[in-house]
Amino acid sequence: KAGVTQTPRYLIKTRGQQVTLSCSPISGHRSVSWYQQTPGQGLQFLFEYFSETQRNKGNFPGRFSGRQFSNSRSEMNVSTLELGDSALYLCASSQSTSGANSPLHFGNGTRLTVT
Amino acid sequence: KQEVTQIPAALSVPEGENLVLNCSFTDSAIYNLQWFRQDPGKGLTSLLLIQSSQREQTSGRLNASLDKSSGRSTLYIAASQPGDSATYLCAVRPRAGNNRKLIWGLGTSLAVNP
Repeated sequence: KAGVTQTPRYLIKTRGQQVTLSCSPISGHRSVSWYQQTPGQGLQFLFEYFSETQRNKGNFPGRFSGRQFSNSRSEMNVSTLELGDSALYLCASSQSTSGANSPLHFGNGTRLTVT
Repeated sequence: KQEVTQIPAALSVPEGENLVLNCSFTDSAIYNLQWFRQDPGKGLTSLLLIQSSQREQTSGRLNASLDKSSGRSTLYIAASQPGDSATYLCAVRPRAGNNRKLIWGLGTSLAVNP
């Protein structure tokens, strides 16, 4: 069974641009969550989607948005990029949504660098 | 507010040593606790998930324990190998509230020296 796939693996953007990251979950997984990872802050939760509905949202500005498609694939978008948005963005999928006892499976992430 | 702490932040041991990584959480009302490993520049790999009703879980050379009353979990690695070098993170799923997002520790960076 294929794992969680994130594309692209690396991105370099300049301030003010926008970016879209993609995540394909494990087949059969309906929950997709996104995290931002930086050396100083660790893993910060962005949002979670289940069956195309946003179920949870972290404390990020409105520049960060996401969506989930009917095939469970998910995208996240960051508009008006800032230098502080440079991070590893991780996507994770699971069989069920928050509160259920199913482990998270992570992709290898997208490394975003904003210059 | 749930907080998760992992001590130490970094650990270096010789190959073959048995070691323990610690994870502490402030609110015992958790649904489950997970341990992950992360290799440099990569995503996270789930190692063990302990339900709130369980005391421990084992997988190969790994054993994770959970003591909700004291707000602690430990990850025991037996006979460590250089391939175990990675960052180990724990995360708790709170039981209370509608927003049950995982709360993460900052991780312990482990180096196993040949």
